[in-house]
Amino acid sequence: SAVISQKPSRDICQRGTSLTIQCQVDSQVTMMFWYRQQPGQSLTLIATANQGSEATYESGFVIDKFPISRPNLTFSTLTVSNMSPEDSSIYLCSAVVTANTEAFFGQGTRLTVV
Amino acid sequence: GESVGLHLPTLSVQEGDNSIINCAYSNSASDYFIWYKQESGKGPQFIIDIRSNMDKRQGQRVTVLLNKTVKHLSLQIAATQPGDSAVYFCAVATGTASKLTFGTGTRLQVTL
Repeated sequence: SAVISQKPSRDICQRGTSLTIQCQVDSQVTMMFWYRQQPGQSLTLIATANQGSEATYESGFVIDKFPISRPNLTFSTLTVSNMSPEDSSIYLCSAVVTANTEAFFGQGTRLTVV
Repeated sequence: GESVGLHLPTLSVQEGDNSIINCAYSNSASDYFIWYKQESGKGPQFIIDIRSNMDKRQGQRVTVLLNKTVKHLSLQIAATQPGDSAVYFCAVATGTASKLTFGTGTRLQVTL
């Protein structure tokens, strides 16, 4: 298993600013992912964070808006850039220890943009 | 692309009864299926998984059934307890990418 810590757990931000969310896993993992969960809704995959290279983004998500880093096997960051109220959501980090096994999730970062 | 749907947005059961939460998926190539439980203010918590080469898997008080013919899976919770109250999501993956497509979620309410 893997224990995932996200920081911050919540934040209220002004529109037009950027927020970087950190994700730390307690062990080396094969894959890391970032998901978005809008209030009362399901999870949507933003991107796969690739170690040492550019993230792989899903349809509807772009690097300029959601730059992602993954410098090593246990850490990743997601930045939400030039925020608008529509970006208000919960952002979740996920990790897979071994390919094609269960994904573990952090507790999420609740972002409110005002 | 993959789409995953749940039949009921809210399920209310009495404590001690069995709960059944259903999920339909669309991609016949999906080969890995997971159920998650999400409590308020927390991230999804893994409950049980099943691969496409199986049609049933049991855990502690939970059973997952997979019907690949009709692309349907279900989560059965035996002797439902108040602590089971949460939102339950099914998620599916294809191949080794480990990317998950989540269903819309079912809120399970356990009444005393």
